[in-house]
Amino acid sequence: TQLLEQSPQFLSIQEGENLTVYCNSSSVFSSLQWYRQEPGEGPVLLVTVVTGGEVKKLKRLTFQFGDARKDSSLHITAAQPGDTGLYLCADPSGTYKYIFGTGTRLKVLA
Amino acid sequence: DAMVIQNPRYQVTQFGKPVTLSCSQTLNHNVMYWYQQKSSQAPKLLFHYYDKDFNNEADTPDNFQSRRPNTSFCFLDIRSPGLGDAAMYLCATSRVTGGDEKLFFGSGTQLSVL
Repeated sequence: TQLLEQSPQFLSIQEGENLTVYCNSSSVFSSLQWYRQEPGEGPVLLVTVVTGGEVKKLKRLTFQFGDARKDSSLHITAAQPGDTGLYLCADPSGTYKYIFGTGTRLKVLA
Repeated sequence: DAMVIQNPRYQVTQFGKPVTLSCSQTLNHNVMYWYQQKSSQAPKLLFHYYDKDFNNEADTPDNFQSRRPNTSFCFLDIRSPGLGDAAMYLCATSRVTGGDEKLFFGSGTQLSVL
């Protein structure tokens, strides 16, 4: 069974700071998704990365897929309080069995 | 707007008292999932339906059952809730497209067991 380890587990930063969250696997991903879950809500898809070395940008968020497709990172520039939430990476390649990472809980202080 | 709707948002039940959580979708997706999420941990898949085909995860307790009477609705039944079943329960849908699939989640039901 593929395990998705995320780091750090918790992160508390001041508004305006930059941060990077990591997702690592023991196996090769065919693709990888990042979700954000705001307090009291369900997760929402941010991005899907498919190709090794791929970089995708979503406003202040930059997603990178490792060349070997065993890791991914999410970088947030100039974090804002609205970025607060639980960030989850997920492997959607199983047959209707999305495997979620261990999660990174981010808190951005105003 | 097409969406996944869960009711109620908050549910309080007593130890051992059966409870049913509901989920409806207007996306016409063929796959529906139930996840359990505790204390900001990652969601844990309980089971899913592909159309009417039910698929139970091996480690899902027998205490948890599900029904999908039609494409739009799916229910989670907890027959005898224990204190350890207090959690956020998330319903999600996806559509089988042969690629580029993703999960659409409802807002969840926060279950408390007294």
